[in-house]
Amino acid sequence: AQSVTQPDIHITVSEGASLELRCNYSYGATPYLFWYVQSPGQGLQLLLKYFSGDTLVQGIKGFEAEFKRSQSSFNLRKPSVHWSDAAEYFCAVVQGYGGSQGNLIFGKGTKLSVKP
Amino acid sequence: DTGVSQDPRHKITKRGQNVTFRCDPISEHNRLYWYRQTLGQGPEFLTYFQNEAQLEKSRLLSDRFSAERPKGSFSTLEIQRTEQGDSAMYLCASSPRASGKNTEAFFGQGTRLTVV
Repeated sequence: AQSVTQPDIHITVSEGASLELRCNYSYGATPYLFWYVQSPGQGLQLLLKYFSGDTLVQGIKGFEAEFKRSQSSFNLRKPSVHWSDAAEYFCAVVQGYGGSQGNLIFGKGTKLSVKP
Repeated sequence: DTGVSQDPRHKITKRGQNVTFRCDPISEHNRLYWYRQTLGQGPEFLTYFQNEAQLEKSRLLSDRFSAERPKGSFSTLEIQRTEQGDSAMYLCASSPRASGKNTEAFFGQGTRLTVV
């Protein structure tokens, strides 16, 4: 069965410091992968997605993620964190062979706190 | 286009009462998904529609839950005889294509249900 693991429940970084949020997936074929961000009490906003091709994908708000098949990982990075980035971040994979089903399987999320 | 809209945003109900939530997807989006998110967890898939057809239901969707999308536009999620364990954020998402491949889901802001 497909699954997503986000090993870090909570991360605190200083404003201006770099950020890396980890995501590992379990899936036999090429996965379709996403990162979403959720502010308190809000829905989810898509940061970036990977379907195929270039393994380094750029997203909104200065985020990027790198797909590494050998490590079954899709880590999210940002070179310089802003206080407004404080939120919860979710990694997700599309269920179903070839993404045919379309629904997402989410990790448990990583809460990001930003120190001034 | 104002995005995915969910109503109400918050609902407090007494145990044993029935509740109904509404989701208006982005216009002309074929697929509509319902997810449930409890505190400290990622969203969990409940069910999805392709146009008016309900194609998949998670085992999380007990007999007390029913979802409809009668004309392939808006959808409703009803919970009968609510229990305290139903307290959660209920998220709706839509995606623009008939296939789940190579497409992304756009989320609403959710309905927060509290069962007292």
